[in-house]
Amino acid sequence: DAGVIQSPRHEVTEMGQEVTLRCKPISGHDYLFWYRQTMMRGLELLIYFNNNVPIDDSGMPEDRFSAKMPNASFSTLKIQPSEPRDSAVYFCASRKPNSNSPLHFGNGTRLTVT
Amino acid sequence: KQEVTQIPAALSVPEGENLVLNCSFTDSAIYNLQWFRQDPGKGLTSLLLIQSSQREQTSGRLNASLDKSSGRSTLYIAASQPGDSATYLCAVRPGGQNFVFGPGTRLSVLP
Repeated sequence: DAGVIQSPRHEVTEMGQEVTLRCKPISGHDYLFWYRQTMMRGLELLIYFNNNVPIDDSGMPEDRFSAKMPNASFSTLKIQPSEPRDSAVYFCASRKPNSNSPLHFGNGTRLTVT
Repeated sequence: KQEVTQIPAALSVPEGENLVLNCSFTDSAIYNLQWFRQDPGKGLTSLLLIQSSQREQTSGRLNASLDKSSGRSTLYIAASQPGDSATYLCAVRPGGQNFVFGPGTRLSVLP
């Protein structure tokens, strides 16, 4: 099992540019989560999907953020336009549909917006 | 609204010591609780998951306990090693699908 795979590992961009973060969940995991981690706010849920359908996007900070899951093996988180305050580590996580199953995280994408 | 706190924020111990990390949550109506380890520049690695009906879970040198009524969980690490140095986070699942995370305890085990 390759685990949750995120790309890129690091992204540096200028304010105003579009940023796209990618995630491949573990095969067979029906739930996919996007989290953001900062020193000030810790880990915050942005959005999660069940069977490719967005269920709760109440954590998405602004309309500049959008997420899609076109199929069971791929999800994207897009920020357009990006701002310096979006700088953070963005994590993707997935888990099996079994309610007893643990959450598995990717290694994250460190985003820096200058 | 569920809130999770972890004490202490940082801990430094000599190798070989047994230690306890604490996690508190404000609403006892949880589905389960999960302990994670995070190494610098890495994602979170699941250590133990305790269902609300369970009192404790063990994995190797790790033992996690849960007292739901008092809103507390502890992670016990026996015979600590330098390789245990990391940030440890606890997360509770209030009942939906999301987990609410604590801020973490940064552990340093000195050789």
